Amino acid sequence: DGGITQSPKYLFRKEGQNVTLSCEQNLNHDAMYWYRQDPGQGLRLIYYSQIVNDFQKGDIAEGYSVSREKKESFPLTVTSAQKNPTAFYLCASSLGLKETQYFGPGTRLLVL
Amino acid sequence: GENVEQHPSTLSVQEGDSAVIKCTYSDSASNYFPWYKQELGKGPQLIIDIRSNVGEKKDQRIAVTLNKTAKHFSLHITETQPEDSAVYFCAASRKNNNNDMRFGAGTRLTVKP
Repeated sequence: DGGITQSPKYLFRKEGQNVTLSCEQNLNHDAMYWYRQDPGQGLRLIYYSQIVNDFQKGDIAEGYSVSREKKESFPLTVTSAQKNPTAFYLCASSLGLKETQYFGPGTRLLVL
Repeated sequence: GENVEQHPSTLSVQEGDSAVIKCTYSDSASNYFPWYKQELGKGPQLIIDIRSNVGEKKDQRIAVTLNKTAKHFSLHITETQPEDSAVYFCAASRKNNNNDMRFGAGTRLTVKP
């Protein structure tokens, strides 16, 4: 069953804590992306990766970090420097930067 | 940079009626305009897209129109069904690069049976 998966579905973060959101795809896509979705706003790009071992900042990268050690995986860490982390986080992948994006089901992050 | 505005934010129609969602963009260099549908608890899914060299594109009950002069594009859904209920997002991109995509705020469509 091919697709893109995100875990967990819900995640709670305490003050000063780093948390990592998982994103895995078995579509053999080179490009992967992380978006943040807030109520009443469009999706905003956090980070993207064109290929393994390479990633670039998006529009709102501050307070976030990523890695791309494997083609299938693109984890996002929400650091304590992100002062307003409560949001719905979407991961996506595509064959290349110009190809159709396929989105995962999302992870909702809540701050305790 | 590009700014995409989407209206209305919520839309309720009766089953069988048509639904229209409109978006405007600010960057005249934008040339690729996709529409996504996001069902509850799921990620957005591309449903139709249009490029700037085309004025209209249709796929069964869904159509998109583009007015480059006025810098706006619209999604039209005819003969709506309850399963069309979802949040719809428009987007615009200058280079057809996913890292350059700007999204509208979304429209929550409810189709009443």
